[in-house]
Amino acid sequence: ETGVTQTPRHLVMGMTNKKSLKCEQHLGHNAMYWYKQSAKKPLELMFVYNFKEQTENNSVPSRFSPECPNSSHLFLHLHTLQPEDSALYLCASSLNPGQGSEAFFGQGTRLTVV
Amino acid sequence: DAKTTQPPSMDCAEGRAANLPCNHSTISGNEYVYWYRQIHSQGPQYIIHGLKNNETNEMASLIITEDRKSSTLILPHATLRDTAVYYCIVRVSTDKLIFGTGTRLQVFP
Repeated sequence: ETGVTQTPRHLVMGMTNKKSLKCEQHLGHNAMYWYKQSAKKPLELMFVYNFKEQTENNSVPSRFSPECPNSSHLFLHLHTLQPEDSALYLCASSLNPGQGSEAFFGQGTRLTVV
Repeated sequence: DAKTTQPPSMDCAEGRAANLPCNHSTISGNEYVYWYRQIHSQGPQYIIHGLKNNETNEMASLIITEDRKSSTLILPHATLRDTAVYYCIVRVSTDKLIFGTGTRLQVFP
């Protein structure tokens, strides 16, 4: 248990569906991250939020839309996804964006797009 | 771009020390060495990090060479639960975590 909770743990969605992934942490952290891990590939950083402001978007397609309403919650809104978007989506948080803060990861949401 | 080089896989007998090497020959003076691991289908877990000096915590030891161009993560008494992919990451403290392909450690009975 890392203190970072992701829901749902598993999600199957059609290409025309709209769904959202949720991440929450009550560790008092100020930075939150979305990562994507496709089969047999390294983790890819998608988005970074520092103090609720998006500070990085790693050329992620617009069918992925993040939202950070407060420092404790992070969402990833999904719409018109493709089968190749099937992956493990991981959320992480750290105390501060820098200062060498270690990152705590959630268990991930296993997404399958059919 | 990952700034580190790790062997793709290693084996270790249960109860023995697991020594995982990492090369980071282009490391800058202000970059730290971080280690994370990922047990199958779970999120990565922080293990340890260091700048110049060797570090030890309840999970592992980190040995950094004097020229800082390589390091070794040591799990002193590996257990089956230590089977995972181990990532060595080099970054400045203000930078985000970028993962490479890591070393898949298999601990066998």
